[in-house]
Amino acid sequence: AQTVTQSQPEMSVQEAETVTLSCTYDTSESDYYLFWYKQPPSRQMILVIRQEAYKQQNATENRFSVNFQKAAKSFSLKISDSQLGDAAMYFCAPDSGAGSYQLTFGKGTKLSVIP
Amino acid sequence: DTGVSQDPRHKITKRGQNVTFRCDPISEHNRLYWYRQTLGQGPEFLTYFQNEAQLEKSRLLSDRFSAERPKGSFSTLEIQRTEQGDSAMYLCASSTQGGEQFFGPGTRLTVL
Repeated sequence: AQTVTQSQPEMSVQEAETVTLSCTYDTSESDYYLFWYKQPPSRQMILVIRQEAYKQQNATENRFSVNFQKAAKSFSLKISDSQLGDAAMYFCAPDSGAGSYQLTFGKGTKLSVIP
Repeated sequence: DTGVSQDPRHKITKRGQNVTFRCDPISEHNRLYWYRQTLGQGPEFLTYFQNEAQLEKSRLLSDRFSAERPKGSFSTLEIQRTEQGDSAMYLCASSTQGGEQFFGPGTRLTVL
């Protein structure tokens, strides 16, 4: 079974600053996808960014980017120019590969944005 | 399309009762997933369907839990003889094959 570790239960960032959320995982697969999801308070899970493990180039989506280190099984999320609306729980979730696409979620990091 | 919908949004039941939840996926999505999320944790995978076939079930899915997707469209998750430990948010997600999963708002179950 996969394990996903998000070592920062809570983080805070000043508005307009940059913050990095860390994630490490364990998998025996070589071809899989990794995702960061955002869950605002009392609202549904929203996809932030997606990375394909076979691609060396790190994914970028507007203010969000990842640092994917496949050998180290590390997948961190960088949020630039933080906004108040970025405040949420952030979950790292690799899928199980092998065509299953079942997601294994970490425990999450609660991000607060300070005005 | 307005996204994945789930019904009901909240359910309060007494221990020992049966409950059923419904999930309507995005119409062109052939994959449908169920997850369970307890307070302070990330979602945990329960089961998934490709069209009407249930392809994978987690060990978390005890024999009191059953899921169906009879026509490859909506899905139901039934919990029989509910226990207090079943209290959680039940999340449904859908995707195309190989696409990212889109989540619904969840059904919050409270077992008294």
